[in-house]
Amino acid sequence: QKEVEQNSGPLSVPEGAIASLNCTYSDRGSQSFFWYRQYSGKSPELIMSIYSNGDKEDGRFTAQLNKASQYVSLLIRDSQPSDSATYLCAVYGYNTDKLIFGTGTRLQVFP
Amino acid sequence: DTAVSQTPKYLVTQMGNDKSIKCEQNLGHDTMYWYKQDSKKFLKIMFSYNNKELIINETVPNRFSPKSPDKAHLNLHINSLELGDSAVYFCASSVGSNYGYTFGSGTRLTVV
Repeated sequence: QKEVEQNSGPLSVPEGAIASLNCTYSDRGSQSFFWYRQYSGKSPELIMSIYSNGDKEDGRFTAQLNKASQYVSLLIRDSQPSDSATYLCAVYGYNTDKLIFGTGTRLQVFP
Repeated sequence: DTAVSQTPKYLVTQMGNDKSIKCEQNLGHDTMYWYKQDSKKFLKIMFSYNNKELIINETVPNRFSPKSPDKAHLNLHINSLELGDSAVYFCASSVGSNYGYTFGSGTRLTVV
């Protein structure tokens, strides 16, 4: 089992729709969770962090965490073509002291 | 005013050569990292340093040797380059391992 799993996609949504990106992780000791956005040929850029169960909203982005289910998700409301990128889920575990990345989900927002 | 800068951005070299990638951060972070992103876009940690001290050394061939002269710099030296070393190498820094990382722009290494 991979430490951090994401569906590779592509996830295609129309402009204005809600994009829902999902991630599961294997280490129950994980404490910190992050979403990064990576445009093609560019470096990963941190867009959300979440540390406790529930929802965290920042503009059009909402991160959701459920530690019991070992599940973290990212919702993007009012999706724009400029949101088209690969979204990387990353999980930090105190046991390993490492930030482990998933393989990313490619999002395509079409006009 | 780049926060994490890497040089060079592109590196094309022949098998067997030795090369270095430099990284500098001006964020005042204590922790720096090297990640490798392969052709399938998987980002895998290679090394982390905290205040010049090696913290994480993943299962990386010993041809790869990081060096941190001070907490703002973390360089990566690679000996006897192999075809499989071709990838994008990212430097990153953070306040601490459980906080968000700031990545450099990456170095695309191509071994021919």
